[in-house]
Formats: sequence, structure tokens, C-alpha cells
Amino acid sequence: DTEVTQTPKHLVMGMTNKKSLKCEQHMGHRAMYWYKQKAKKPPELMFVYSYEKLSINESVPSRFSPECPNSSLLNLHLHALQPEDSALYLCASSRQGGTNEKLFFGSGTQLSVL
Amino acid sequence: GESVGLHLPTLSVQEGDNSIINCAYSNSASDYFIWYKQESGKGPQFIIDIRSNMDKRQGQRVTVLLNKTVKHLSLQIAATQPGDSAVYFCAENIDAGGTSYGKLTFGQGTILTVHP
Repeated sequence: DTEVTQTPKHLVMGMTNKKSLKCEQHMGHRAMYWYKQKAKKPPELMFVYSYEKLSINESVPSRFSPECPNSSLLNLHLHALQPEDSALYLCASSRQGGTNEKLFFGSGTQLSVL
Repeated sequence: GESVGLHLPTLSVQEGDNSIINCAYSNSASDYFIWYKQESGKGPQFIIDIRSNMDKRQGQRVTVLLNKTVKHLSLQIAATQPGDSAVYFCAENIDAGGTSYGKLTFGQGTILTVHP
């Protein structure tokens, strides 16, 4: 199984809503990632978890709150988002989070903030 | 600074032709590179990777070339098919500030369109 599963596939939320994005992998990987991708742009790294600990935070605003309950699951909690936060949010995983690892991506959650 | 970029933002080819997608990188300390394919509505899909101790690596219908002297990476697709139409990203996995954690940074992407 080389799949990274993300739910939901689409999400529409208001600026006062609280929602969560979920990601799951069963490849035994110990590193998981959140990326943000705007239309016609490359993915941009947000957070990295390695062995369930936050290892990289790319100065992401606090309205985005990541959580890694265990090595197979990754959540992204959303609160008080802005319309400019509308984007495709991609989850990925890799073996341990080192520098010579390929990342496996999910299909993403398309988020629209109204 | 650290950047990974592409020379050509779009590439149109005829079915059966060979395609070449180019990428320039600026971080001379980078030692691992990956090409991804992203189709509409999907996440990036791994195509092929190469480490800096190699100049060339071949997969099924794809070849990646690495020229460390000029910091250039290319992806060659043989006998391009309509199903190859997608956005192609080169990506560079670098050490995140000496932490030994990998940080995958993407180039701007090339849109490949294959005409039947």
C-alpha cells in the first residue's frame, strides 16, 4: 500500500468556522508533511513531523494548527481563516524525514474560504 | 539563496516525440533531486530521483540527467504519450538548516501538453 489518503476532498468554510483536514498513511513512514498549493504554483512546505514531533514549521500563521496523534495520522486544524488561505492542501509522508527521502503525496483537500 | 527553477514554463509536443524538461538549481550543497508529475485534481506523483553522486538515472521511458557543474537537471520522456500531459516539477531535498531534517523545495513547474 503506497497510498496517502486525505479527507475531505473538498471543503468550503466561512471565516469564523473551525474545521480539520485529515491525512492517513499505512506505509510505516515516520515523517509526515503538510504543503499548501495555490493554483498554477508549486507546493509550499508548511509543517513537517518526524517521529510524531514537529520538526519544521515554516512560519505558518497560528490559524493553522497541525497535530500528529500517531505516526500514521496527521491533522491540520483550521480556525479563523482568510479568503487568501483558499488553496489545495497536500499531505505527504516519507520514511523518516531525512534529506535523501522521496515523499509520497495524497490527492489533497481543495479548500475554499468564503 | 536557495531556489529551484525551470527554463520553460510550457512545452507542447506531438505524440511519439521525445520531451525534455529542464530545471536549474542554485544550492550547490543539494545532493538529492526528485521529479514529480502532477495531473489536474491530483497530488504530485513520484517519477524518478537522482543523488548528486550520479550523472544519469533511467527509469521506464524516463531519464534524469544531472549536471552539477552548471547546477542543471533535466527530465527526458521517450515516446511521449497523451497520458503524459501534466505539470512536471523538479524538487530539491535539502538539509533544513543543519538539522538533518529534509526539506523538499519545488521548482516552478512546466506544463507539458501532448497532442495526438
